[in-house]
Amino acid sequence: DIQMTQSPSTLSASVGDRVTITCRASQSISSWLAWFQQKPGKAPKLLIYGASNLESGVPSRFSGSGSGTEFTLTISSLQPDDFATYYCQQYSNYWTFGQGTKVEIK
Amino acid sequence: VQLVESGGGLVQPGGSLRLSCSASGFTFSSFAMSWVRQAPGKGLEWVSYINGRASTIYYADSVKGRFTISRDNAQDSLYLQMNSLRAEDTAVYYCTRYSTSYDFDSWGQGTLVTVSS
Repeated sequence: DIQMTQSPSTLSASVGDRVTITCRASQSISSWLAWFQQKPGKAPKLLIYGASNLESGVPSRFSGSGSGTEFTLTISSLQPDDFATYYCQQYSNYWTFGQGTKVEIK
Repeated sequence: VQLVESGGGLVQPGGSLRLSCSASGFTFSSFAMSWVRQAPGKGLEWVSYINGRASTIYYADSVKGRFTISRDNAQDSLYLQMNSLRAEDTAVYYCTRYSTSYDFDSWGQGTLVTVSS
């Protein structure tokens, strides 16, 4: 099974900050990596697929990079609507999610 | 695209429950579908997958032998039959649309399953 490890688990930041979340796969997954945003009581929302492709309608301040085993999600300028939990997920071999990163208000 | 789950509720350990997901806004038979769950206060866990023709089905080890995924393309509906339920199956269950190109790109609002005596 492929394990996904995110860091940090919690991140405190202010509006306007540049935020980076890291995701590591236990083996190479090429670019079969997605990022999701989830707010309390809501379903997850796809942000990034194929490691770096922005889903339609997602603001351009979100970007993804990486391949193989190391990936990052970057929010270039954090907005009030961005405080949420973020999950990475591999779809190279079945489907596995990271444990999540909660982005909190500093 | 709209996905609407139903069928959740309170069930005793060892009991059964059948979840349904009604799809609209896209050609249902052309897409694979999956169930993903989230235990209270926990992360996301993939549960099961079924392709468009129902010829390929996968299950997570945690539910294999107890859960059965199925679909009715004529009714644009996805199902999850859950048997021998355990306390650790307590979660919100989400219906998701899947494609190799876009991964899980659409999600339902979820339905809560609580396994407790």
